[in-house]
Amino acid sequence: NAGVTQTPKFQVLKTGQSMTLQCAQDMNHNSMYWYRQDPGMGLRLIYYSASEGTTDKGEVPNGYNVSRLNKREFSLRLESAAPSQTSVYFCASIYSGANVLTFGAGSRLTVL
Amino acid sequence: AQTVTQSQPEMSVQEAETVTLSCTYDTSESDYYLFWYKQPPSRQMILVIRQEAYKQQNATENRFSVNFQKAAKSFSLKISDSQLGDAAMYFCAYSLYSGGGADGLTFGKGTHLIIQP
Repeated sequence: NAGVTQTPKFQVLKTGQSMTLQCAQDMNHNSMYWYRQDPGMGLRLIYYSASEGTTDKGEVPNGYNVSRLNKREFSLRLESAAPSQTSVYFCASIYSGANVLTFGAGSRLTVL
Repeated sequence: AQTVTQSQPEMSVQEAETVTLSCTYDTSESDYYLFWYKQPPSRQMILVIRQEAYKQQNATENRFSVNFQKAAKSFSLKISDSQLGDAAMYFCAYSLYSGGGADGLTFGKGTHLIIQP
């Protein structure tokens, strides 16, 4: 099915471990985003990529790194996970000239 | 920076009744987009309705309609004939019309809608 695919859907980490959340879209979208969702906080932008080869910080970038590997893929890396990074992470993409995001199904990350 | 405020953490409505979810936002821009997203327990983010700020007419999608008051910076969602499947978190969101969407969306904190059978 066309859309935004995130992996893994669930992950449990110990404090200090590293991991990468993968995101891929097959809709030829230019811009891609990583959000985190916490109870009572809505969705907050971590990083975004307006096009292949460019990335920019969003509202809450600390503790994260991203890579826009190609037009399809945008990964989010936690180098040293902290309990404060326990959250649900959403990847999204959009086509330039449009303003409707397509979201992935989300990845629930727990850091113990 | 733009902010989006949803003042109702939780709302409850009887099935078949009408409910209105509130949203206010702050921006200095004149052209922008506003959205309502639905998030059911499956966690999937589903676009409910979209409003373009330069359009005077309020957007409507079947049982969902908005009351867009640009001067008041208010964007409420009305759900008519509420159904059990409408139970979800609802997020109001703002996007600056940049042509590229580079800034993404700014979300409110959400309203949990409960449908009483």
